[in-house]
Amino acid sequence: NAGVTQTPKFRILKIGQSMTLQCTQDMNHNYMYWYRQDPGMGLKLIYYSVGAGITDKGEVPNGYNVSRSTTEDFPLRLELAAPSQTSVYFCASSYSTDRGNTIYFGEGSWLTVV
Amino acid sequence: KQEVTQIPAALSVPEGENLVLNCSFTDSAIYNLQWFRQDPGKGLTSLLLIQSSQREQTSGRLNASLDKSSGRSTLYIAASQPGDSATYLCAVGANSKLTFGKGITLSVRP
Repeated sequence: NAGVTQTPKFRILKIGQSMTLQCTQDMNHNYMYWYRQDPGMGLKLIYYSVGAGITDKGEVPNGYNVSRSTTEDFPLRLELAAPSQTSVYFCASSYSTDRGNTIYFGEGSWLTVV
Repeated sequence: KQEVTQIPAALSVPEGENLVLNCSFTDSAIYNLQWFRQDPGKGLTSLLLIQSSQREQTSGRLNASLDKSSGRSTLYIAASQPGDSATYLCAVGANSKLTFGKGITLSVRP
């Protein structure tokens, strides 16, 4: 099973450039999430979505945008890349946020802004 | 605001040892507590999930316990193996509001 798939795996951006991180899941999960993980730190939630057409901000949304046009896809867009956005980005999904629902993560996208 | 602490940041043990990884949290009104494993260059894999009404969960050689009153969870790994070497993270809350610890990097020496 593919689970949660992220592309690209690695990317180097110049300051001010824009890019989209792609995320797709094949588990028919309603909830999808974008996290970032900085070295030696825990994961922080950027945005999440409870279903197609519905998104909400997490703890660190500034500098990012998301959309959810289908159940399967949840792309994350960086509009004007800044060095502070150098990080590892993880997409995740779950069936719901109810008690007992496991969250599944993709393998990550390593982004460097220079 | 919920804070999750995992100490120590790194741990090295010989193969075969039983070990305990600790996780503490500041707000006992949690929803779920989850333990994850992260291998280098990879994503997180959920190991165990304990709902707020539960005290422990077991999967194979892993056992996780939850004590809300003291704000602590432990992950017990029995008969550790080199393949257990990874970073272990705990997280508390609902999936849309998870607060993660920084993780414990475990190295199991052959």
